Amino acid sequence: AQSVAQPEDQVNVAEGNPLTVKCTYSVSGNPYLFWYVQYPNRGLQFLLKYITGDNLVKGSYGFEAEFNKSQTSFHLKKPSALVSDSALYFCAVREGGSARQLTFGSGTQLTV
Amino acid sequence: ETGVTQTPRHLVMGMTNKKSLKCEQHLGHNAMYWYKQSAKKPLELMFVYSLEERVENNSVPSRFSPECPNSSHLFLHLHTLQPEDSALYLCASSLTSGRETQYFGPGTRLLVL
Repeated sequence: AQSVAQPEDQVNVAEGNPLTVKCTYSVSGNPYLFWYVQYPNRGLQFLLKYITGDNLVKGSYGFEAEFNKSQTSFHLKKPSALVSDSALYFCAVREGGSARQLTFGSGTQLTV
Repeated sequence: ETGVTQTPRHLVMGMTNKKSLKCEQHLGHNAMYWYKQSAKKPLELMFVYSLEERVENNSVPSRFSPECPNSSHLFLHLHTLQPEDSALYLCASSLTSGRETQYFGPGTRLLVL
């Protein structure tokens, strides 16, 4: 089975401060991990993904995420938050090499 | 965002109506998906099509009927819906139904009265 958890429904951060949106996962094998962002009345937009390689992944709009296998985490980070970063963020996982589809977290509302 | 389009963007229907949601992708992808997004719940995968063949159906009620006439178009036919079916319905596509990134449309906001 595969699952993903976003422990915070809401994250508030001041503009210019660093932000972190947390994600932990559970899969049997190697994880494929994704972050998406959703602005009001819009679909989900892809931010970044980890498949293999460097644990630090850089994505769109200055976001990055760090894959931590021992802690089964894939937290989303940005060094300096902008008001325009306010949105709903989703983490997703699927087990690499399996036929399973993506499993999404319940989302974290970021307010800057 | 113009890679995946959805129509209509908003839909209000009664429980006895029949309507259809349309999704079109212009990305040359071979896999398409329907998701349901309800408030404060994770995205629920409803259907997956790969090369126009349905490969996954996650115990979705029969009042939702998907159709994939070609790799660029996906429909969701709705009939005798319930108020609890009110949600945002999202379409997505990917190159294949494997590890590639899924790209989403803007969604159809459905309200069932």
